[in-house]
Amino acid sequence: GDSVTQMEGPVTLSEEAFLTINCTYTATGYPSLFWYVQYPGEGLQLLLKATKADDKGSNKGFEATYRKETTSFHLEKGSVQVSDSAVYFCALSGTGGGSNYKLTFGKGTLLTVNP
Amino acid sequence: NAGVTQTPKFRVLKTGQSMTLLCAQDMNHEYMYWYRQDPGMGLRLIHYSVGEGTTAKGEVPDGYNVSRLKKQNFLLGLESAAPSQTSVYFCASRGLKRNEQFFGPGTRLTVL
Repeated sequence: GDSVTQMEGPVTLSEEAFLTINCTYTATGYPSLFWYVQYPGEGLQLLLKATKADDKGSNKGFEATYRKETTSFHLEKGSVQVSDSAVYFCALSGTGGGSNYKLTFGKGTLLTVNP
Repeated sequence: NAGVTQTPKFRVLKTGQSMTLLCAQDMNHEYMYWYRQDPGMGLRLIHYSVGEGTTAKGEVPDGYNVSRLKKQNFLLGLESAAPSQTSVYFCASRGLKRNEQFFGPGTRLTVL
């Protein structure tokens, strides 16, 4: 079945540091890929998405590129801020077999950014 | 436009008690979902619905029941709560055309 593996945290960075959170997936066909963010005490919010190979999703300075050849969707940001402290989830929406309307999530990565 | 709302926000139950969590969405979405979030486990799908009057089991359905009598509402029931059901529960919805899900703020449930 579909699965998502993302780097385990927690990740602690200083403000203005470069961020990478790795995400790889296993799925048949061409899934859609997502990054969700969860701020403390809140629900998940969609951060960015990509629906086909080589697509780049971007939002709020974050970027991720859909790499079919490496089955990856790594999240990057050039300069993190304290306000980026949150839990980040990688997810995929599969294709066919009834999986195209379900999301499969990674376990989440806690990011803490210190001033 | 409130999006996805959940009631209640917090609840404490004793083992064996029952309760119902309510999820409501005002986006006219077809699909609705219930997840539970536990430390180190990410989000796991409990049940979902692809339309009014239909429900299906997800990854961890045991101990839970659901109903979707109205398109905008999706109820999650615990008939006899157990400490293992202590968790944060999230509801989500999505429309037919776009495949991203929209999440509610969550319900924190503690079973003693």
